[in-house]
Amino acid sequence: DSGVTQTPKHLITATGQRVTLRCSPRSGDLSVYWYQQSLDQGLQFLIQYYNGEERAKGNILERFSAQQFPDLHSELNLSSLELGDSALYFCASSVSQGMYEQYFGPGTRLTVT
Amino acid sequence: SQQGEEDPQALSIQEGENATMNCSYKTSINNLQWYRQNSGRGLVHLILIRSNEREKHSGRLRVTLDTSKKSSSLLITASRAADTASYFCATALTGGYQKVTFGTGTKLQVIP
Repeated sequence: DSGVTQTPKHLITATGQRVTLRCSPRSGDLSVYWYQQSLDQGLQFLIQYYNGEERAKGNILERFSAQQFPDLHSELNLSSLELGDSALYFCASSVSQGMYEQYFGPGTRLTVT
Repeated sequence: SQQGEEDPQALSIQEGENATMNCSYKTSINNLQWYRQNSGRGLVHLILIRSNEREKHSGRLRVTLDTSKKSSSLLITASRAADTASYFCATALTGGYQKVTFGTGTKLQVIP
């Protein structure tokens, strides 16, 4: 158990819908990262937050947005969902920004039908 | 395209044999990490090697880093069936806020 929690575990929704994925980092970790893993794209970095502020952006679509709240939990919002958004979404946390060991949550499996 | 590319894409060995997987990257890095992922689960950190280090050991794991060739290798000695997983290298670029980029992964199967 990494100490990082993600909810929900599974999500099945229809195209065009909007969903919110939630992540609670390990106690004491200030950085949160979001990743998307699909079969054909591998593990793609989406976005990083550090202590409530956006720090780095990867291949995140404009339809996706995220935020980190004062209690350090984070949410990833996916809107106007398309079939291609079906993937595993992982949240990871680390003690600080920069190249520290990341602790991964169990992931949220999103299926868009 | 990915900053890190693992090679081979897949590897199948007998229990007890050694497994070697390689990672190549494109630009200068501060350090490099290796992670393991069991099927459908979150990644687990294995080892971090800094750009000024050449070799690091952790149990049955040995990691080397050659910054001149922009490559790293992960050696798992005396493999076990429980080592069956995908292995990823992750790099963080030098300068500014360090965006971490994961490679494409090597899928290792250890046959009992």
